[in-house]
Amino acid sequence: EAGVAQSPRYKIIEKRQSVAFWCNPISGHATLYWYQQILGQGPKLLIQFQNNGVVDDSQLPKDRFSAERLKGVDSTLKIQPAKLEDSAVYLCASSFTGGGSYTFGSGTRLTVV
Amino acid sequence: GESVGLHLPTLSVQEGDNSIINCAYSNSASDYFIWYKQESGKGPQFIIDIRSNMDKRQGQRVTVLLNKTVKHLSLQIAATQPGDSAVYFCAENSITDKLIFGTGTRLQVFP
Repeated sequence: EAGVAQSPRYKIIEKRQSVAFWCNPISGHATLYWYQQILGQGPKLLIQFQNNGVVDDSQLPKDRFSAERLKGVDSTLKIQPAKLEDSAVYLCASSFTGGGSYTFGSGTRLTVV
Repeated sequence: GESVGLHLPTLSVQEGDNSIINCAYSNSASDYFIWYKQESGKGPQFIIDIRSNMDKRQGQRVTVLLNKTVKHLSLQIAATQPGDSAVYFCAENSITDKLIFGTGTRLQVFP
């Protein structure tokens, strides 16, 4: 089966600019996650979707981050405006049941300068 | 490119030796645990999982041990190979279905 697709692979922006990341999960996976991974740390959950509804966004900095999952398939994560501390790898993952078998994409590496 | 885990704890082993990577988890209510391997520039890759009703599970060259009393997980890799070099994360799944990752350990295999 095809894996989780993410784009772009790399992005460099200046602080205060906006950026968007795209994720296409594995076909049939109802649950989709966005994680932020800062260099040297484990991934941290930002938001969890079940189909097109938000299950958990308690760790999402809502003043600057937003995410949507229209039609319960693809998802986009946006940052506006970006700060230097947003430099990280943004990982998308999906799962069939929401309780296991998470599959991760390769991530988007964001550098804010 | 930049590698994951520049400042993580590091375990160095000789090729062919066995590796043991340890992890302490935080939530006593967690009932599902996963070990992931992450190579530079890639997302975490599933290695092996274990449910809380088990204390040991074996895969190909890998074994996971779970000690719920002290909230401890370990990953054992037999006959470690150069391709095993990566950062290893344990993750716990709580009742809210959130997957929470530990700090990670970098495994370096030398000839």
